[in-house]
Amino acid sequence: AQSVTQPDIHITVSEGASLELRCNYSYGATPYLFWYVQSPGQGLQLLLKYFSGDTLVQGIKGFEAEFKRSQSSFNLRKPSVHWSDAAEYFCAGADPGNTGKLIFGQGTTLQVKP
Amino acid sequence: GAGVSQSPSNKVTEKGKDVELRCDPISGHTALYWYRQRLGQGLEFLIYFQGNSAPDKSGLPSDRFSAERTGESVSTLTIQRTQQEDSAVYLCASSPRGGPATNEKLFFGSGTQLSVL
Repeated sequence: AQSVTQPDIHITVSEGASLELRCNYSYGATPYLFWYVQSPGQGLQLLLKYFSGDTLVQGIKGFEAEFKRSQSSFNLRKPSVHWSDAAEYFCAGADPGNTGKLIFGQGTTLQVKP
Repeated sequence: GAGVSQSPSNKVTEKGKDVELRCDPISGHTALYWYRQRLGQGLEFLIYFQGNSAPDKSGLPSDRFSAERTGESVSTLTIQRTQQEDSAVYLCASSPRGGPATNEKLFFGSGTQLSVL
């Protein structure tokens, strides 16, 4: 069955430190992959997406993600975290053959320490 | 409107009652999605409408759940005989065409918080 897994439910980092949020996928073929952020009381905002091509994808707010086929991973990174990055982050995948259906991971809550 | 609009923003109901949740997509968006987010969990796909094609209902958890959409306009998600486990945030999203795996974005509404007592 298709699935997206975020192994870390909760992560705490200090402001200014680097960040990596993990995402693993299980699909028959390489899926389209996405990272979304959800701030308290707000809707989901797309950070970045990967369809094909360059495996290092740049997104908004200084985020990037790297697609690694050999590890079935699509980890989200940021070199220096800001307090405003505290939010919940969701990784999601879509089957290129059934593009209407996003499958989301369980989410990772990021807490930023001053 | 400028974004995806959902109503009501909050709904409290008694177990066994029926509820209707409404989603107004962005004008011109042909694709519309319903997702459910239970407390502390990720988003769970429920149903997807694309234009006049038959909807993908593969995510609906039981026959108590149904959704309708007329053309490319408003959609309603109906939950009959609500149960406590139905308590969740129900999110609606729309996209200009073809779903999130095109180069367009998926635009989410702010959701309806459903609480079943």
